Amino acid sequence: KAGVTQTPRYLIKTRGQQVTLSCSPISGHRSVSWYQQTPGQGLQFLFEYFSETQRNKGNFPGRFSGRQFSNSRSEMNVSTLELGDSALYLCASSSPGQGRTQYFGPGTRLLVL
Amino acid sequence: QKEVEQDPGPLSVPEGAIVSLNCTYSNSAFQYFMWYRQYSRKGPELLMYTYSSGNKEDGRFTAQVDKSSKYISLFIRDSQPSDSATYLCAILDQGAQKLVFGQGTRLTINP
Repeated sequence: KAGVTQTPRYLIKTRGQQVTLSCSPISGHRSVSWYQQTPGQGLQFLFEYFSETQRNKGNFPGRFSGRQFSNSRSEMNVSTLELGDSALYLCASSSPGQGRTQYFGPGTRLLVL
Repeated sequence: QKEVEQDPGPLSVPEGAIVSLNCTYSNSAFQYFMWYRQYSRKGPELLMYTYSSGNKEDGRFTAQVDKSSKYISLFIRDSQPSDSATYLCAILDQGAQKLVFGQGTRLTINP
């Protein structure tokens, strides 16, 4: 099976812009979670989608949003970018039958200038 | 207090050594425990997955969970330079349906 894929892999934006990141889960996985990874804070949970519904959200401002499509692909959007949004954004997919083990994609590295 | 505490290291050991990586956690309700390995500029890769207490072995890797102490460990036997990476412990918060990660331990195996 193909793994989790994320596009784009690298992105450079300037403050105030917005960005959309995409994630395709492992075939058959219906749950997609997003995480932000920074050197200072480590891996932090952003939100999780299942069957096109957001089931849970982490402690991030409303500038961070996401959605999931009927084919389980997911996108996350960050509006009004700030320098502190520079990070590796990771997507993970899981299947309920596997005890919710999450498999990660390679991530999108976002640099905000 | 963080939900999951992990010594960030860095940890440097000679090739062939036994490596012990550890995490502590605060919520006794947690039942699913994972170890991920992350190479530089890559996403985390699932190494080991354990449910509840006990040991689980996979080749040179052994994961151990002690729920009474709220302590989880990963042991690497006969360590290789290719094991050099950051190791992250993660615990599934079933209520919030999210993984809670430790800070990660940066490990270097010296040839």
